[in-house]
Amino acid sequence: AQSVTQLGSHVSVSEGALVLLRCNYSSSVPPYLFWYVQYPNQGLQLLLKYTSAATLVKGINGFEAEFKKSETSFHLTKPSAHMSDAAEYFCAVSDPYGGSQGNLIFGKGTKLSVKP
Amino acid sequence: ETGVTQTPRHLVMGMTNKKSLKCEQHLGHNAMYWYKQSAKKPLELMFVYSLEERVENNSVPSRFSPECPNSSHLFLHLHTLQPEDSALYLCASSQGSYGAANTEAFFGQGTRLTVV
Repeated sequence: AQSVTQLGSHVSVSEGALVLLRCNYSSSVPPYLFWYVQYPNQGLQLLLKYTSAATLVKGINGFEAEFKKSETSFHLTKPSAHMSDAAEYFCAVSDPYGGSQGNLIFGKGTKLSVKP
Repeated sequence: ETGVTQTPRHLVMGMTNKKSLKCEQHLGHNAMYWYKQSAKKPLELMFVYSLEERVENNSVPSRFSPECPNSSHLFLHLHTLQPEDSALYLCASSQGSYGAANTEAFFGQGTRLTVV
């Protein structure tokens, strides 16, 4: 069965510092992977997705993520944090061949705080 | 109006009440989803409709009853809920059939439900 683990339920960085949010997946086949962001009192918005093309994926708002099969990881990074990046971030996996195709499995989320 | 719209945004209901959540998507998608987001728990997929037919029901209690009258509208009918059902209920839609695992979901802003 697929699963997603996000290390750290809460990450705090200073404005201008590197953002690194960790995501590890468990899947028997190379999955599709997604990062979503949720601002307070809002729904989820797609940041980026990996669907077996380039392993380094660039998304919106300056975020990017790298798919590393050997590490079963899909960590989200941004070189320089901005106050507006404060939100909750969710990693999700989808199994291309499983019985629940299109069924996104979400991690528990990581809340990012940005200090001035 | 564009995207995925959910109404109401907030709902307080007693345990004996009957209410409905509404979701409408203006994206031309043909798969729609209900998710439950509780504090400190991963997003839980509740129901999936593809081409207006229910394709997945993840062991959701019968006090939650979905309805999908057409590809643009999705309802969640609620009755005799419990306090532990208090959560943010998110609707989402995606392009293509339910089997398109590489297509991302577009989320509404959610309905914050409080059961008293």
